[in-house]
Amino acid sequence: QSALTQPASVSGSPGQSITISCTGTSSDIGGYNYVSWYQHHPGKAPKLMIYEVNNRPSGVPDRFSGSKSGNTASLTISGLQAEDEADYYCNSYTSSTTLIFGGGTKLTVL
Amino acid sequence: QVQLVESGGGVVQPGRSLRLSCAASGFTFSSFGMHWVRQAPGKGLEWVAVISFDGGTKNYADSVKDRFTISRDNAKNTLYLQMDSLRPEDTAAYYCVKRYSGGWYYFDYWGQGTLVTVSS
Repeated sequence: QSALTQPASVSGSPGQSITISCTGTSSDIGGYNYVSWYQHHPGKAPKLMIYEVNNRPSGVPDRFSGSKSGNTASLTISGLQAEDEADYYCNSYTSSTTLIFGGGTKLTVL
Repeated sequence: QVQLVESGGGVVQPGRSLRLSCAASGFTFSSFGMHWVRQAPGKGLEWVAVISFDGGTKNYADSVKDRFTISRDNAKNTLYLQMDSLRPEDTAAYYCVKRYSGGWYYFDYWGQGTLVTVSS
């Protein structure tokens, strides 16, 4: 099964909002609400930012939000800050009872 | 605090086997499902396998199915990944990952990773 499709890179200025898309199929994103997003600073452990499409774990700022429409999930970061610069990965449960990641998106804060 | 410490990585020839271990501490290991996730050099994250809290349920990515076996020893608080018939494309850092309390589909704590290089 191929990885979920994410843009390779996105960028934004401090204070702005950005959205990262994650496109799959009806066998993964479109079929289930088990979509999550991870923030990964190189050299550090990935951090869970969003789970079950739009839920934030304790401690994650409400600047981070998630949504889903059809086979595409999205992560929106509002009020962009310098420390948001990182790689972001989406992940979804699949009909094969497996999990699948997106290819990753590098966020640059200008 | 939660600690996950992987070991067992190294350089191995194609077709050979390797077993990774992950020593867990700081939480009730026997109560949580566990995953292996890998990252090839310069590439993104790839989910590899999951095992339920009691070892009764296991699932694998298509890319490793029938070659890799995930297992656990709850008495030793240790997770394993037996990797057989290794291929060059299995070269990656392998991470032991604890499932999030909110569902087995999500990950919260990660180990530091152990590097596996498959090369002749």
